[in-house]
This record gives sequence, structure tokens and C-alpha cells, in this order.
Amino acid sequence: QVQLVQSGAEMQKPGASVKVSCEASGYTFTTYAMHWVRQAPGQRLEWVGWINTGNGNTIYSQKFQGRVTITRDTSASTVYMELSSLRSEDTAIYYCARFRTSYYFDFWGQGTLVTVSS
Amino acid sequence: QSVLTQPPSVSAAPRQKVTISCSGSSYNIGNNFVSWYQQLPGSAPKLLIYDNNKRPSGIPDRFSGSMSGTSATLGITGLQTGDEAEYYCGTWDSSLSTWVFGTGTKVTVL
Repeated sequence: QVQLVQSGAEMQKPGASVKVSCEASGYTFTTYAMHWVRQAPGQRLEWVGWINTGNGNTIYSQKFQGRVTITRDTSASTVYMELSSLRSEDTAIYYCARFRTSYYFDFWGQGTLVTVSS
Repeated sequence: QSVLTQPPSVSAAPRQKVTISCSGSSYNIGNNFVSWYQQLPGSAPKLLIYDNNKRPSGIPDRFSGSMSGTSATLGITGLQTGDEAEYYCGTWDSSLSTWVFGTGTKVTVL
């Protein structure tokens, strides 16, 4: 069965960076793109960006351009999302989600809480 | 910025029906498939509807999706207490070249 398992909660100081992982299993990793979505406390879902797991191409939300980097390790069936220059507003749960080409997310990771606080 | 607008909340008694609207534009809903997600408190989102009106395996037929022009609608019939959750629409926006989510709608069972 398809599973997306994310790394554990992180606490970082303002200005630091955080790298969250998402390990996929139960399907051929390079067949489907992976997206990252975040949700600040009490707020709506917000799209961060995505990676073509086959060729590594990425597209990022303009809001995070320059601060976010999404990569993948095909040998480990894992996608990573790194966010730099953290600020308190980046405190959120970060989800990875598998993307289907007719435009929907069929499986989601359990979420990783990133807390930014001095 | 949020380009898909949903009502903040809807409510109804058990076994009744609710509908949730999702209003967009020709750059998103008008030209791309819409999907719907249910987010129970403290949980990750879960796919409810894809390709405007298709249900994944395991989703009961109490949930339905439709669309007209630049708006989409999620319907829930036979409302149950377990349906209390936040619901989001989503689609690709061709103008912004980004995925966009709706503002979210909280469903309350009275």
C-alpha cells in the first residue's frame, strides 16, 4: 500500500534552515510528482512547490522563491524540502503529497511540525 | 493570495444535506479539474473528490462533486457527526503557474 512517511518535528531559531524528508513506499517512486503543502496554526492549506521525481525539475510558489529547495534521492525513494532564513511566520505543519497528472493529490504524508522560535 | 473562495462555514442537522461552493476564475476552475479534500481535526488532508466529480475507492457516495463555469460544488448528504471537518477545494492556476487551494469551509453537524 502507498505510504508517505515524513521526518519528525523540528524546532529552529529565526534565520536558521530546516530540512524535512518524505519517504515513499508501495509504488514506483519516479512515476509520480511530489508536492509540499504547509498549514500554519488555524490557517488554510498553502502550496509550497513540487518536484518531478523522474528528472528532478522543480517549481516553487513565488512566495517561497529563493528560500525553498526541493530535492529527491531516487535510491532512497525520498523527497526533501529545505526552507532557509526561517521566520516565526514559517511555523506550520508541512505535508508532502503525491500528485496525479489529472491534477489532484491522492496520498499525503502525516505532516511535520516546524516551529520557529527564539 | 487566495484565488478560490469558499464559505467559512456551513451547518446542518444529522441526516441532512450541505453544499460547499468554491468560486474561481477561467484561469483555474474554468480550465482545470477540481479536487476536494477533507481535513479532520489534527489530521492530514484526505482526498474526497477528484476530476470534478469522481470519488476514490472507499469514499461513500454521500459525497459528490459538480462544477459549472468557474465554480465547483461539494455536496454531502446524510450528514454524520464524523463529517465534522474542514473542507478544501483545489486546482491548478494556469495564470499563476501554481497549485491553489480554497479558503476552507468548516462543516458543523448540529
